Amino acid sequence: KAGVTQTPRYLIKTRGQQVTLSCSPISGHRSVSWYQQTPGQGLQFLFEYFSETQRNKGNFPGRFSGRQFSNSRSEMNVSTLELGDSALYLCASSPLAGAYEQYFGPGTRLTVT
Amino acid sequence: AQKITQTQPGMFVQEKEAVTLDCTYDTSDPSYGLFWYKQPSSGEMIFLIYQGSYDQQNATEGRYSLNFQKARKSANLVISASQLGDSAMYFCAMRPNTGNQFYFGTGTSLTVIP
Repeated sequence: KAGVTQTPRYLIKTRGQQVTLSCSPISGHRSVSWYQQTPGQGLQFLFEYFSETQRNKGNFPGRFSGRQFSNSRSEMNVSTLELGDSALYLCASSPLAGAYEQYFGPGTRLTVT
Repeated sequence: AQKITQTQPGMFVQEKEAVTLDCTYDTSDPSYGLFWYKQPSSGEMIFLIYQGSYDQQNATEGRYSLNFQKARKSANLVISASQLGDSAMYFCAMRPNTGNQFYFGTGTSLTVIP
């Protein structure tokens, strides 16, 4: 069974631009969560989607948004990029919302210049 | 408030020796899950082990075991017979059953010395 895939793996953007990251969960998994990982703040929860609905949201500004499609694939969008948005963005899937284990993808490394 | 604390930024262990990575947590939820993840330099987070707050026995998965002391709110990871491939960052995490969010510690960098 294929794991969680994230595209693109690496991305370079300039301040003020917007970016869309994609995540395909493990087949059969309906919950997708997004995390931002930076050296200074560590791993921080962005949001979780289940059955196309956002179930939970972390403490991030409204520039960070997401959605989930009927096939459980999820996208995360960041508008008006700031230098501080440079990070590794990790997506994790699990069979159900609140399921015990989350399986992570390889991440998308975003650099904002 | 939920909080995970990992007080060891870096650890070194000799190959084939055992090592303990510390983790303490704080939550007011009576029911929660505790997790350990490994993150190699490639960046992918790998699930290692899970312990439920009501589990009576400590969880074990191969060379990994979780030393769960509920009264002390600690969930230390023990890696036995360390291998060079164990060199990575290790994160402790908690998920209260009343919410869907995972809370992660700041991680411990483990280096296995040949």
